[in-house]
Amino acid sequence: SQQGEEDPQALSIQEGENATMNCSYKTSINNLQWYRQNSGRGLVHLILIRSNEREKHSGRLRVTLDTSKKSSSLLITASRAADTASYFCGWSSYKLIFGSGTRLLVRP
Amino acid sequence: EAGVVQSPRYKIIEKKQPVAFWCNPISGHNTLYWYRQNLGQGPELLIRYENEEAVDDSQLPKDRFSAERLKGVDSTLKIQPAELGDSAVYLCASSVIQGPSNSPLHFGNGTRLTVT
Repeated sequence: SQQGEEDPQALSIQEGENATMNCSYKTSINNLQWYRQNSGRGLVHLILIRSNEREKHSGRLRVTLDTSKKSSSLLITASRAADTASYFCGWSSYKLIFGSGTRLLVRP
Repeated sequence: EAGVVQSPRYKIIEKKQPVAFWCNPISGHNTLYWYRQNLGQGPELLIRYENEEAVDDSQLPKDRFSAERLKGVDSTLKIQPAELGDSAVYLCASSVIQGPSNSPLHFGNGTRLTVT
């Protein structure tokens, strides 16, 4: 994509392990948001990190943002089978643009 | 609070036929979005409304797509005529604060369109 990328495209881990997803973008941003999407459902907002923040936590989620590298990462600690879903980052300047997502499979 | 409601959930039509999708946003959310999501991809913005006004429709294929948001609440997205390449999931979202810059989006479950 000319706008940015997420990697890996797919990730398979064992329950209890940590999962890390990365997002890169190409424009200046006001904030970056992470969303989760279960199969056949809409996106659900997980966390928003502003451009002047470097790290944010929410429960088992940890998000980092490096505006100098135009990149962000989402860490899910102690994963559960219920975390199986697609995860999307969205970066926002005047509109929210989404990456292509990471499909996470957590094996029981 | 009730979430964003979309209907229908699924729609199968033949190419060249018209189709319409309906969205009811969360009460009090002034900003409404229509996104299109192709299989295995992230959502792409088609149009954004602030109340009744379409403030960003740069990605809407205006030759065949149209949208309206009467009274600044419900919205309808229409395709006429549909093409095979329009097969996708059409997602509606709303947010409470004007513009996407600092407000999370709340998504409906989408309408899956199949054009045969």
